[in-house]
Amino acid sequence: GAGVSQTPSNKVTEKGKYVELRCDPISGHTALYWYRQSLGQGPEFLIYFQGTGAADDSGLPNDRFFAVRPEGSVSTLKIQRTERGDSAVYLCASSLQGTFYGYTFGSGTRLTVV
Amino acid sequence: GIQVEQSPPDLILQEGANSTLRCNFSDSVNNLQWFHQNPWGQLINLFYIPSGTKQNGRLSATTVATERYSLLYISSSQTTDSGVYFCAVVGGNKLVFGAGTILRVKS
Repeated sequence: GAGVSQTPSNKVTEKGKYVELRCDPISGHTALYWYRQSLGQGPEFLIYFQGTGAADDSGLPNDRFFAVRPEGSVSTLKIQRTERGDSAVYLCASSLQGTFYGYTFGSGTRLTVV
Repeated sequence: GIQVEQSPPDLILQEGANSTLRCNFSDSVNNLQWFHQNPWGQLINLFYIPSGTKQNGRLSATTVATERYSLLYISSSQTTDSGVYFCAVVGGNKLVFGAGTILRVKS
């Protein structure tokens, strides 16, 4: 597509529930990144995919967070047993072959855990 | 890991005024970017500027890599410039962001 698309734009869930957040990168971009942005902070890295594999998942905060990219395009970030502290905006970015030039962000998913 | 600090944390300008935002980073970098996050949350890349000076309309940026800082200049500010400005540097496989500068331009 023309840009990075993230769905849903907003998600409200109850504490303890499971959520999935979707990212559709720019067509042809092999690198995909997830970031989390808490209120008043800059985005913080979660995970990086090159193709189908997670090349760097060092930013995932704990084992409740997991992400997949089975066909090397769309990615899903999965959060189990959500906690109120997971409330944030989750941003996805893509780039061509892992370069940082032309790095493009989606509009994000605002997750609220109540 | 690499640290990125931005100043000032927030800034209020009258429309038409000029401003300078600063970004300091703790280690040598070969990639630095400035982003603008609009009130709807969209992050837009303004400059890819590992060193030197670039200009784009009313905005310009300068990075002095040897002294580990970058500056973003906004001239003749407009209300549409409001939002949060982030500086980010490459640290391994990721961008490391500063906490941002919140800019409010009043008409």
